[in-house]
Amino acid sequence: AQSVTQLGSHVSVSEGALVLLRCNYSSSVPPYLFWYVQYPNQGLQLLLKYTTGATLVKGINGFEAEFKKSETSFHLTKPSAHMSDAAEYFCAVSDRGYKLSFGAGTTVTVRA
Amino acid sequence: NAGVTQTPKFRVLKTGQSMTLLCAQDMNHEYMYWYRQDPGMGLRLIHYSVGEGTTAKGEVPDGYNVSRLKKQNFLLGLESAAPSQTSVYFCASTQALAGANEQFFGPGTRLTVL
Repeated sequence: AQSVTQLGSHVSVSEGALVLLRCNYSSSVPPYLFWYVQYPNQGLQLLLKYTTGATLVKGINGFEAEFKKSETSFHLTKPSAHMSDAAEYFCAVSDRGYKLSFGAGTTVTVRA
Repeated sequence: NAGVTQTPKFRVLKTGQSMTLLCAQDMNHEYMYWYRQDPGMGLRLIHYSVGEGTTAKGEVPDGYNVSRLKKQNFLLGLESAAPSQTSVYFCASTQALAGANEQFFGPGTRLTVL
């Protein structure tokens, strides 16, 4: 069975500052890892995913995440926050089957 | 392509009433899912389907039923709604490959049970 822990339910950053969202997972097999973003009153959309190969994964809107097997982590970063990054972010893990397990989510607020 | 669509977008029910949520996808995806989203709990899987005519229970199936009579449609039913079913419901779909494919989500249905 797999599970995901997202540290921090709310993160507030200043515009132009680094965004760092933490995700730790547990999985009995090498995992597939995902970050999704949910803008207000919308469904989820994929930011990026890790399957195999390069451990630093680049996604849309300037986000990237690094898979660290030794730390069982998949933290999401963006060097410079923009007001449009205000949203809820979900980390998810797959055990290579067809089901995802989601974390509880982290809400990002961007201060002008 | 419309992607994944959900009907209705909003609904208010009284305790004990029934309703059906409709999910439709035009991407020819094999797998479809129903989730509920509650504050601080992320998304929890209610039921899923790995193909037309097949359904299976997810993490929180009690009080819900589903049907997948056509490949493109996945229906979620509440036979006797309870206030604990107040939530935002999301449908998702994905291709039938081993876990590496993203799930595509609908816009959600906001359900309130009084």
